[in-house]
Amino acid sequence: EVQLVESGGGLVHPGESLRLSCAASGFTFNTYGMTWVRRAPGKGLEWVSSIVAGGVSTFYADSVKGRFTVSRDNSKNTLSLQMNSLRVEDTALYYCAKYLARGSIYDYWGRGTLVTVSS
Amino acid sequence: DIQMTQSPSSLSASVGDRVTITCRASQGISNHLAWYQQKPGKVPKLLISAASTLHSGVPSRFSASGSGTDFTLTISSLQPEDVATYYCQKYNSAPYTFGQGTKLEIK
Repeated sequence: EVQLVESGGGLVHPGESLRLSCAASGFTFNTYGMTWVRRAPGKGLEWVSSIVAGGVSTFYADSVKGRFTVSRDNSKNTLSLQMNSLRVEDTALYYCAKYLARGSIYDYWGRGTLVTVSS
Repeated sequence: DIQMTQSPSSLSASVGDRVTITCRASQGISNHLAWYQQKPGKVPKLLISAASTLHSGVPSRFSASGSGTDFTLTISSLQPEDVATYYCQKYNSAPYTFGQGTKLEIK
């Protein structure tokens, strides 16, 4: 059974950093791309970042480019999102999700970890 | 960047009704479009990929079509468990933008 479990969320002040993790199990992690999607309170889904299976290519939304870094450790089946210079507008529930196959389509999602940025 | 616009933003319909949600891309994306359903308090669920391919386990009352810039998601006979927000998403190239969502309620 595919499982994705996010951790690392919390309450931080603007300008601070957080590192999110996603522990994956139940599938061959190193053969699937992975992604982070967030949902701010009262808003819709927003794609944040994706990383291909081997980790050599990464992609970011303009809203986080230069502040967030996605990475993966295929030896530990773990996806990470390093979030620096956090802003109030980064407040959201952050989901990690697994690619269906080669396209950036997401067939399994974690339950999310909440990030709150507030002064 | 390509923008994804859904309509309507919200929709109220009766059980048994045929419901259609549209998604428009600001530029052509071929058939690189997915649809997701997110029920209140739940995790998003993949419904459709490649614009019209029903994902495993999704009820057959859901269908979708389109190519290029105009896409539709149809529920042939609305059921109470279909109350959710529905999102389209482009995946031809990054950024993998979602539409703003369509909130579907039962009348």
